[in-house]
Amino acid sequence: DAMVIQNPRYQVTQFGKPVTLSCSQTLNHNVMYWYQQKSSQAPKLLFHYYDKDFNNEADTPDNFQSRRPNTSFCFLDIRSPGLGDAAMYLCATSVLQGAFTPNYGYTFGSGTRLTVV
Amino acid sequence: SQQGEEDPQALSIQEGENATMNCSYKTSINNLQWYRQNSGRGLVHLILIRSNEREKHSGRLRVTLDTSKKSSSLLITASRAADTASYFCATDGYNTDKLIFGTGTRLQVFP
Repeated sequence: DAMVIQNPRYQVTQFGKPVTLSCSQTLNHNVMYWYQQKSSQAPKLLFHYYDKDFNNEADTPDNFQSRRPNTSFCFLDIRSPGLGDAAMYLCATSVLQGAFTPNYGYTFGSGTRLTVV
Repeated sequence: SQQGEEDPQALSIQEGENATMNCSYKTSINNLQWYRQNSGRGLVHLILIRSNEREKHSGRLRVTLDTSKKSSSLLITASRAADTASYFCATDGYNTDKLIFGTGTRLQVFP
């Protein structure tokens, strides 16, 4: 089945140790998003790729970076994780045509829960 | 920010009852979407309503949209214990390609 896959489901990293979360999709959607969701809060958009164009949210810390080597894969890099970066990280995809916003909902992966020790 | 605010924050009902959740947002939108999230899982898209639509149905779900009041409601009829989850509204503005989520409603349905 076409889907969005996030690996790993659970990630434990040490304070200050770089960590990479991965997302892959078989939907061939042109837009991929990374959201951060802390406990009992709304998902917060970190950045997204429209094809190869990277769009960073103004309040996303510099500690967070992303790479999209091809249509199918997108990575979230946290250069120096702090305790405050512990959260669920959600990857999502959507399909857009030109300047139009989606007529369909986003497809989310199951998320990666990051613990910083 | 055009983040939506939802109320109630939490809702507890018995199976068979209806559940209504409300969402308000701040700026003009192109469409509004509702998502469901089971504990510790990703979000699942439930329904999308465009700004020129007023009501939409999908199974036991009914969504209304009032753009003059910048508000939407999600009604789940004949709720089941399996409907227990958090429900989020999300909006995208004109000429944007990103979705901004509301604060969510935690629904608990008791058998």
